Amino acid sequence: SAVISQKPSRDICQRGTSLTIQCQVDSQVTMMFWYRQQPGQSLTLIATANQGSEATYESGFVIDKFPISRPNLTFSTLTVSNMSPEDSSIYLCSVEERGWEGYTFGSGTRLTVV
Amino acid sequence: DAKTTQPNSMESNEEEPVHLPCNHSTISGTDYIHWYRQLPSQGPEYVIHGLTSNVNNRMASLAIAEDRKSSTLILHRATLRDAAVYYCILNNAGGTSYGKLTFGQGTILTVHP
Repeated sequence: SAVISQKPSRDICQRGTSLTIQCQVDSQVTMMFWYRQQPGQSLTLIATANQGSEATYESGFVIDKFPISRPNLTFSTLTVSNMSPEDSSIYLCSVEERGWEGYTFGSGTRLTVV
Repeated sequence: DAKTTQPNSMESNEEEPVHLPCNHSTISGTDYIHWYRQLPSQGPEYVIHGLTSNVNNRMASLAIAEDRKSSTLILHRATLRDAAVYYCILNNAGGTSYGKLTFGQGTILTVHP
């Protein structure tokens, strides 16, 4: 399966600022997904990012708050904008690979907003 | 996606088999049954998946009921490294929700030495 590198692994940010999280995959993938895991909770899908098209956001998530880029088949970024303490979570990217019917996850970015 | 129901927690002793149940009574014909686990401070890890027949891989076995309304993940010999949250997820292979995994609360597995 693919290997995913997520950066940064963790960060502490001031409220009102923005953080961009990078997801790099070691192979070309069609579909990439961004998830959020709030403290003590399960994962919730934020959006689906396909190369060459606008990201598709799930209910409760908007592009102005979580802009996503997908410039090529191995890379994507998620920006958490105008952060508040409620944005403190782990953010994870995931990929679906051709010929591999499971989904691979990155190790996540642990974000704390103070 | 159809909903799954899992026990909140289970316990096992090291080197004993573990059977993790999952109910999915509203499963549709094109829903695959996926199992993932999340070890502490890590992203979820794929364990196994199946559609109708029982499946085996190096990590585990998946037993699917004949009516597909329930399934069981089997760890043949639990180790301390298997302590994790286990998620049973239905994923529709042909629908618009393909790839969009809906995580429930999962089952917290504790393995005792």
